[in-house]
Amino acid sequence: ETGVTQSPTHLIKTRGQQVTLRCSSQSGHNTVSWYQQALGQGPQFIFQYYREEENGRGNFPPRFSGLQFPNYSSELNVNALLLGDSALYLCASSSAGVTGELFFGEGSRLTVL
Amino acid sequence: AQKVTQAQTEISVVEKEDVTLDCVYETRDTTYYLFWYKQPPSGELVFLIRRNSFDEQNEISGRYSWNFQKSTSSFNFTITASQVVDSAVYFCALLITGTASKLTFGTGTRLQVTL
Repeated sequence: ETGVTQSPTHLIKTRGQQVTLRCSSQSGHNTVSWYQQALGQGPQFIFQYYREEENGRGNFPPRFSGLQFPNYSSELNVNALLLGDSALYLCASSSAGVTGELFFGEGSRLTVL
Repeated sequence: AQKVTQAQTEISVVEKEDVTLDCVYETRDTTYYLFWYKQPPSGELVFLIRRNSFDEQNEISGRYSWNFQKSTSSFNFTITASQVVDSAVYFCALLITGTASKLTFGTGTRLQVTL
């Protein structure tokens, strides 16, 4: 069984740039959610994708957007990066109908300079 | 709005000591789930337990045990005979039924177990 994989593991960007983070869900999972974890904080829910549609969103501005592909993999895009976007971005996959049983990847650590 | 409070920022214990991590939650919903996750230095969140709001039975799994008390809105986690491998950040989280995978996490408790 293949777990959740994320890429890249680390990246550095400058303010105003755009970034794309990628996530491959665990085999058999059709739902992907994204979380942002700032240093020393708990993860915060960004959004969830199911059947290629966003079906839940946290308190994040529209410059945070995403995609889900037919193979259930997903991308998180962040435009116009701010210093405050520096964080660990975690992807989690799950099966629809199995409440809360999320399987997380190791995350992509984004540093914005 | 939902909130999870983990008042203990960091705990240090010596191996073989017992340690309890506290979690207090706030919600007006009557149907919800509570979770504990472990985050080792590698970064991924490892699922430890899920408990629904209608099941107040305490649970034991090896050296781990959980105490859910609805009356005090608490869901505490105890590690018995701690080991160095237990060193990690532990998060308590709350999920309201029907809100997709929107977990509300606490700020975490860093546990350091030394020899």
